[in-house]
Amino acid sequence: EVQLAESGGDLVKPGGSLRLSCAASGFTFTNAWMSWVRQTPGRGLEWLGRIKTKTKNDGGTTDYAAPVKGRFTISRDDSKNTLYLQMNNLKSEDSAVYYCTLLRAYNFGAWGQGTLVTVSS
Amino acid sequence: EIVLTQSPGTLSLSPGERATLSCRASQSVSSSYLAWYQQKPGQAPRLLIYGASSRATGIPDRFSGSGSGTDFTLTINRLEPEDFAVYYCQQYGSSPLYSFGQGTKLEIK
Repeated sequence: EVQLAESGGDLVKPGGSLRLSCAASGFTFTNAWMSWVRQTPGRGLEWLGRIKTKTKNDGGTTDYAAPVKGRFTISRDDSKNTLYLQMNNLKSEDSAVYYCTLLRAYNFGAWGQGTLVTVSS
Repeated sequence: EIVLTQSPGTLSLSPGERATLSCRASQSVSSSYLAWYQQKPGQAPRLLIYGASSRATGIPDRFSGSGSGTDFTLTINRLEPEDFAVYYCQQYGSSPLYSFGQGTKLEIK
């Protein structure tokens, strides 16, 4: 069974940084494209970015949505089956529930339970 | 940028009835790239339909998807109490790479 477990959500001040982690199990993490999605009551579900595998063809390439490009970085540690989201220069509008997802072709095949990030002074 | 607009915003039905949810795209979307999700309170979304009409693993056959181009539909036959939730459509392929509709809330009448 695919399991994704996010951690690291917290209350952080504007301009601060935070790193989220996602522990994956139940599938071959090394072969998986992974992604982060966030959700707010006002903006709904918002894709943030994805990371491909580290194979020769995929090269661990990352892609980001415009609102977070340059501030957020997705990385992976295949030895630990763990996905990361490094968030810098956080803004109030980054307050959301953050989900780690397993990308399945063109959609999000599995989701973690989410972790809450609150950006407030 | 492709915008997905879901209607209605809220749908009130009784168990046993049929639900028809709409997702309209501002530009044509390949059927291969259209998916539907179900989200219950306090839970993460769950993939229901991918490729516009293929059910994900473990999804009951009362859920079906159809459509092409700019108009897609999620149909739920013989509503069960556990089907009352929020439903989202999602597309892949145009900036942003992945985007979601705003959701339709299916509530018990």
